[in-house]
Amino acid sequence: DAKTTQPPSMDCAEGRAANLPCNHSTISGNEYVYWYRQIHSQGPQYIIHGLKNNETNEMASLIITEDRKSSTLILPHATLRDTAVYYCIVRSQGGSEKLVFGKGTKLTVNP
Amino acid sequence: SAVISQKPSRDICQRGTSLTIQCQVDSQVTMMFWYRQQPGQSLTLIATANQGSEATYESGFVIDKFPISRPNLTFSTLTVSNMSPEDSSIYLCSVRGRGHSYEQYFGPGTRLTVT
Repeated sequence: DAKTTQPPSMDCAEGRAANLPCNHSTISGNEYVYWYRQIHSQGPQYIIHGLKNNETNEMASLIITEDRKSSTLILPHATLRDTAVYYCIVRSQGGSEKLVFGKGTKLTVNP
Repeated sequence: SAVISQKPSRDICQRGTSLTIQCQVDSQVTMMFWYRQQPGQSLTLIATANQGSEATYESGFVIDKFPISRPNLTFSTLTVSNMSPEDSSIYLCSVRGRGHSYEQYFGPGTRLTVT
């Protein structure tokens, strides 16, 4: 079973920031938080990952709480092309490579 | 990142037949993964395929139903055998990134419909 909990759906206005929450209260010390998204009819796309520090790349920012029990993926200026299902996944590095996908959050960006 | 292609992109097959799905990567990779996404559902790992060794199957998936080949470091095939309508899904392959961050990169998927 997935170790994360995400809201099933969210809406965001185009040009505004999209903040997608994820709860991972049972995360272990060696587990990272990964985010992927799946645009309709495409394969999942890796977005970002982190351990405990906040991370930023060209796609998004990842904010992880100090106790690491939750995180937020931030798309700073959402566009219509960001409409997708977003998956938050926790896994350790160096162990099983398996990705366990939960149900994710369906983000709809509205014009 | 890695560029991954899959063939066919979609197919409609009759029950009882088999379909082989190909996955090609633009670079050499050690580990390849096969996932299934049933209609309206999330992704489920079928098996992990390492070059030169037998694939490792997840609980609920067996080699007789989903035989996998991994002849070299850039190519793999997944066969869906003796198909039934319940096998109608999107089948995706993925590979691990070349860096140390263990992210995976996915192919576009093969949409299979079994009638």
